[in-house]
Amino acid sequence: DQQVKQNSPSLSVQEGRISILNCDYTNSMFDYFLWYKKYPAEGPTFLISISSIKDKNEDGRFTVFLNKSAKHLSLHIVPSQPGDSAVYFCAARGFGNEKLTFGTGTRLTIIP
Amino acid sequence: GAVVSQHPSWVICKSGTSVKIECRSLDFQATTMFWYRQFPKQSLMLMATSNEGSKATYEQGVEKDKFLINHASLTLSTLTVTSAHPEDSSFYICSARDSTGQGLSPTYGYTFGSGTRLTVV
Repeated sequence: DQQVKQNSPSLSVQEGRISILNCDYTNSMFDYFLWYKKYPAEGPTFLISISSIKDKNEDGRFTVFLNKSAKHLSLHIVPSQPGDSAVYFCAARGFGNEKLTFGTGTRLTIIP
Repeated sequence: GAVVSQHPSWVICKSGTSVKIECRSLDFQATTMFWYRQFPKQSLMLMATSNEGSKATYEQGVEKDKFLINHASLTLSTLTVTSAHPEDSSFYICSARDSTGQGLSPTYGYTFGSGTRLTVV
């Protein structure tokens, strides 16, 4: 069973506009969430994270929003740049557990 | 800071042979290392968690006799795919967690290697 899901396998956004990537989870024991960017044949690169006690975290062009009641988080990238084109994974960690559970990924394409 | 080196980046081997993949934390001590595999266009699936000096903990469905994990030091973990077959062809990625586990590193303690593309022919 997929505990972390990214229902959009792909997303295309015009350069300069906002990119919104979504992630849903089912396990209420997850207490920390992370977003990673990944290029083919490379390891994931950490972008931003959020604790379950917060509902928003911002770092430069990246903002992550967490809605615990809906078990939903989203990553906003604004303004989107061509270099943002990659596959984005959300990941979740359970309380007292070091393991990360990854979502299925969303391929973001920024159109110049 | 927080760099993980994974080697080799790609390897082609014949069916039935064994392949070793190394994962090193270069500038921090990693008490815990994680091994993932990723099939094309799919998610990263955790295979096992290894702690320095102890046996690895494997996820359900992962054959521990086929995927041998050794974590002999705080900076090195190895994954050996034994008697490899074409269905083992995949992208393998390691991740190392710093010993503080307190999120002091900018990656919140999870740093990934660059991955190894294994092709078994």
